[in-house]
Amino acid sequence: DAGVIQSPRHEVTEMGQEVTLRCKPISGHNSLFWYRQTMMRGLELLIYFNNNVPIDDSGMPEDRFSAKMPNASFSTLKIQPSEPRDSAVYFCASSPTESGGGQYFGPGTRLLVL
Amino acid sequence: QQQVKQSPQSLIVQKGGISIINCAYENTAFDYFPWYQQFPGKGPALLIAIRPDVSEKKEGRFTISFNKSAKQFSLHIMDSQPGDSATYFCAASIGGNDYKLSFGAGTTVTVRA
Repeated sequence: DAGVIQSPRHEVTEMGQEVTLRCKPISGHNSLFWYRQTMMRGLELLIYFNNNVPIDDSGMPEDRFSAKMPNASFSTLKIQPSEPRDSAVYFCASSPTESGGGQYFGPGTRLLVL
Repeated sequence: QQQVKQSPQSLIVQKGGISIINCAYENTAFDYFPWYQQFPGKGPALLIAIRPDVSEKKEGRFTISFNKSAKQFSLHIMDSQPGDSATYFCAASIGGNDYKLSFGAGTTVTVRA
């Protein structure tokens, strides 16, 4: 079984550019999460979808960040315009239910904004 | 600020030894406490989880101890192996599920052969 798939795995961009991160959750999972991981702030939940609907985006740091889930098998996290402080590893995770089944994390996208 | 405080930041243990990681929380509404294991270059993976109706849960060499009155929980890795070298995160959530997890800062465990 393929796990959560994220692309790209690495992204280097210049400040002010638009960045789009992509995620394919595990088939059959109905919850999807986007996280950001940095040394300073650890693992932060950015946004959570259930059945393709955004449920909680309180962790999205600024209006420069947006996330969509047009269908059950695809989600994007977009940063526009990007800034150096956005440099981090971004993880997508999916879960079969909300009831303690565990979140299945993808391999992450390492973003560097110059 | 983090709602779950984790310590130590790192630890080194000899092969066969016991690794102990501690976490503390303030929000008494938390009712689900999972531990995640992360290897370099990989995403975290669920290791073991506990709910506050039990004081201990064991899965193989991994044991969670939970002290509700002290608002603390810990992970014990028995007979630590080099393959256990990873970063371990405790987490907590409300509602008995892993919907909105608050993660600790992580503990990097190194097991020396």
